[in-house]
Amino acid sequence: NAGVTQTPKFQVLKTGQSMTLQCAQDMNHEYMSWYRQDPGMGLRLIHYSVGAGITDQGEVPNGYNVSRSTTEDFPLRLLSAAPSQTSVYFCASSYARTQNTEAFFGQGTRLTVV
Amino acid sequence: KQEVTQIPAALSVPEGENLVLNCSFTDSAIYNLQWFRQDPGKGLTSLLLIQSSQREQTSGRLNASLDKSSGRSTLYIAASQPGDSATYLCAAPAGNYQLIWGAGTKLIIKP
Repeated sequence: NAGVTQTPKFQVLKTGQSMTLQCAQDMNHEYMSWYRQDPGMGLRLIHYSVGAGITDQGEVPNGYNVSRSTTEDFPLRLLSAAPSQTSVYFCASSYARTQNTEAFFGQGTRLTVV
Repeated sequence: KQEVTQIPAALSVPEGENLVLNCSFTDSAIYNLQWFRQDPGKGLTSLLLIQSSQREQTSGRLNASLDKSSGRSTLYIAASQPGDSATYLCAAPAGNYQLIWGAGTKLIIKP
């Protein structure tokens, strides 16, 4: 079982460049989300989706865009990378609301913006 | 607003010891609490999900407890092994779609 797959695992960007972090899940989960993890802090929610075609902002959405054209895929786009976006990014999926079910996570993408 | 705290930030113990990791939360009206393990440079592995209706959940040498009234969850690791070395994170739901996370406890088991 693949579960939640993120690509790439590592990426270095120059300030101002754009890129897309890929996330795919094969569990037919409706709920998907993106978090970022910074040193000494808990993970913070960037964007989430409750199904194909439906997305919404989380706690720290600025500088990021998402779309959900299929149930399986939930890409995260950095529009114009800034050093403050240096972080580890995790994609998650769950069958139902976080109040009811377990969340599954990908291996993470370690992004450095120089 | 839910806040989750994990203390200590780091813990080092000799192999074979039983140990307890702590997780505190401010909103006692939680539906569940999930414990994760994170290995360096790796992703997040779900260890245990404990529902609000449960007081304990067990998986192998791991046991998680939940006390809503005191705002605490503990992760008990029995007979620790060097392979248990990792960062342990706890997370609680906030609203329908978000998890609020502690900053983690980095555990080192010394052979």
